Amino acid sequence: AQSVTQLGSHVSVSEGALVLLRCNYSSSVPPYLFWYVQYPNQGLQLLLKYTSAATLVKGINGFEAEFKKSETSFHLTKPSAHMSDAAEYFCAVSGGGAQKLVFGQGTRLTINP
Amino acid sequence: DSGVTQTPKHLITATGQRVTLRCSPRSGDLSVYWYQQSLDQGLQFLIQYYNGEERAKGNILERFSAQQFPDLHSELNLSSLELGDSALYFCASSEMGDSSYEQYFGPGTRLTVT
Repeated sequence: AQSVTQLGSHVSVSEGALVLLRCNYSSSVPPYLFWYVQYPNQGLQLLLKYTSAATLVKGINGFEAEFKKSETSFHLTKPSAHMSDAAEYFCAVSGGGAQKLVFGQGTRLTINP
Repeated sequence: DSGVTQTPKHLITATGQRVTLRCSPRSGDLSVYWYQQSLDQGLQFLIQYYNGEERAKGNILERFSAQQFPDLHSELNLSSLELGDSALYFCASSEMGDSSYEQYFGPGTRLTVT
């Protein structure tokens, strides 16, 4: 079975500050890992994905994530937060024979001016 | 815009009723997934179809069923609705059925059961 834990249901940062959203996963098979963003009243948009190539993955809107197998982590970062980054962020895992995505509970990111 | 369309956007219905949610995948995508998003359960996988065939099943209630048609659009049927079925229902599509392929999500259908 696979699972995802997102540490912190709510993260608040100042505009221009570093964004760090934490994600730890559990998987008995080599995982594929994804970060999605959900803006209010919208669907989920893929930010980036890890599929066993480079461990540092760059995504859209200046976000990146690093896969660390030893720590079973896939934390999402952005060097400088922008007001438009305010949204809910979901980490998800899939892999092996399971095509479904298993999502974490989400982290709501608030940006303070 | 992900290219995945879902109708209707909102649906309000009464307990005991039956509804059908519709999803059109991105052009060229063969696989369709249904997810339910609720405050207490979060985002939960319901079911996957690949090129018309059921490929995987998740936490889908027996009162719920789905199918994928030859033109690859999919419908999720929810019957004997209960208050607890109120949620956002997302459809996603991917090019293939392999887990490494990213899934593109539609805007969702918000179901309210009164």
